[in-house]
Amino acid sequence: ETGVTQTPRHLVMGMTNKKSLKCEQHLGHNAMYWYKQSAKKPLELMFVYNFKEQTENNSVPSRFSPECPNSSHLFLHLHTLQPEDSALYLCASSLGSSGGETQYFGPGTRLLVL
Amino acid sequence: GQQVMQIPQYQHVQEGEDFTTYCNSSTTLSNIQWYKQRPGGHPVFLIQLVKSGEVKKQKRLTFQFGEAKKNSSLHITATQTTDVGTYFCAGGKGNFGNEKLTFGTGTRLTIIP
Repeated sequence: ETGVTQTPRHLVMGMTNKKSLKCEQHLGHNAMYWYKQSAKKPLELMFVYNFKEQTENNSVPSRFSPECPNSSHLFLHLHTLQPEDSALYLCASSLGSSGGETQYFGPGTRLLVL
Repeated sequence: GQQVMQIPQYQHVQEGEDFTTYCNSSTTLSNIQWYKQRPGGHPVFLIQLVKSGEVKKQKRLTFQFGEAKKNSSLHITATQTTDVGTYFCAGGKGNFGNEKLTFGTGTRLTIIP
């Protein structure tokens, strides 16, 4: 185990639903990330948080809303998603958000939007 | 923006054959990292290279960072079924305190027993 947990592991939701993905890291890291992984685009960075502050939003649609209440927890709130949003959503953490830091990934949430 | 490309996108090899994946950046990197993602799993850190021309080995895996720090390679000798997965490089770039890690497109390796 990498010390990064994600729940739920699988999620099926309709386009009108609202759901949240949760990520928790037990590594004492200060930076946390959300990635989207689909067949067409292997690893897309969505959001970066460093010391609870959002430092990067990679042009993500507003139907994805991140929340970072503290350095150990990261949420991704989902509402009115589209079928093309179906993908594996990976959370990662690192000691800092420098490009030289190793990132530790959680197991991911596999999302299906119907 | 910074782009990190990998080739090939897919590679099928017979068990026991060698395998190499190449990573190329459009800009000079501060460091390169390699990750492996098993089927159904998540990316796991393998190694980091920082110096120009650096070569590191992990058992049957050899990692190399180019002299210009814009490309890297991962070579696996005598592949085994446990090597199956997608290998990602990730390039770090930027000024100190404002660096960014960009993942490559990945190379999916399948092994024919």
